[in-house]
Amino acid sequence: NAGVMQNPRHLVRRRGQEARLRCSPVKGHSHVYWYRQLPEEGLKFMVYLQKENIIDESGMPKERFSAEFPKEGPSILRIQQVVRGDSAAYFCASSPLPNTEAFFGQGTRLTVV
Amino acid sequence: DQQVKQNSPSLSVQEGRISILNCDYTNSMFDYFLWYKKYPAEGPTFLISISSIKDKNEDGRFTVFLNKSAKHLSLHIVPSQPGDSAVYFCAASEKGSGTYKYIFGTGTRLKVLA
Repeated sequence: NAGVMQNPRHLVRRRGQEARLRCSPVKGHSHVYWYRQLPEEGLKFMVYLQKENIIDESGMPKERFSAEFPKEGPSILRIQQVVRGDSAAYFCASSPLPNTEAFFGQGTRLTVV
Repeated sequence: DQQVKQNSPSLSVQEGRISILNCDYTNSMFDYFLWYKKYPAEGPTFLISISSIKDKNEDGRFTVFLNKSAKHLSLHIVPSQPGDSAVYFCAASEKGSGTYKYIFGTGTRLKVLA
């Protein structure tokens, strides 16, 4: 859905650098979800946020990964000290209500070299 | 532990015929199911959903069937069109329990032949 904007579309980082992925939800949506898709796999849930709050981060790796959804501005998924295994497509989705149909952005393809 | 399974990685169908994509799940607490379509280098696009209180939901050429006793759902596309060629993901969630994440299957690549 064109309403969810993710940037950048492609991101290349060297091992050890930080990656910042941005997501602007559909206007009026206050529920944001991040998913990761590894090659040849399905989408894996990472985190669910409402404005200024992390509601469910059960899919987030315990280290190096963090997410926020501030009162103003986009949601940010931050990966510190990236490793090759972090290479994947990261999708953001938003919904007007929790646990209703979510609309996905076009994703950010992270490549760690 | 793959709670949502799409056992057919690919499917080819002739244009105009019916496409049937299948999905099985193991968690009996799932009560809400969705199908998404994904083109290469794009995000998933929502197609159709079904609540566990129903066994069928229809939207145009797309119909989803849910068999709770078998823990099985299927997506029927009829008639199939070349533009339907994409990867289809089924997803499930425990809407009633207040969790918010979708569990996705690994996808089925549909190819509709002209």
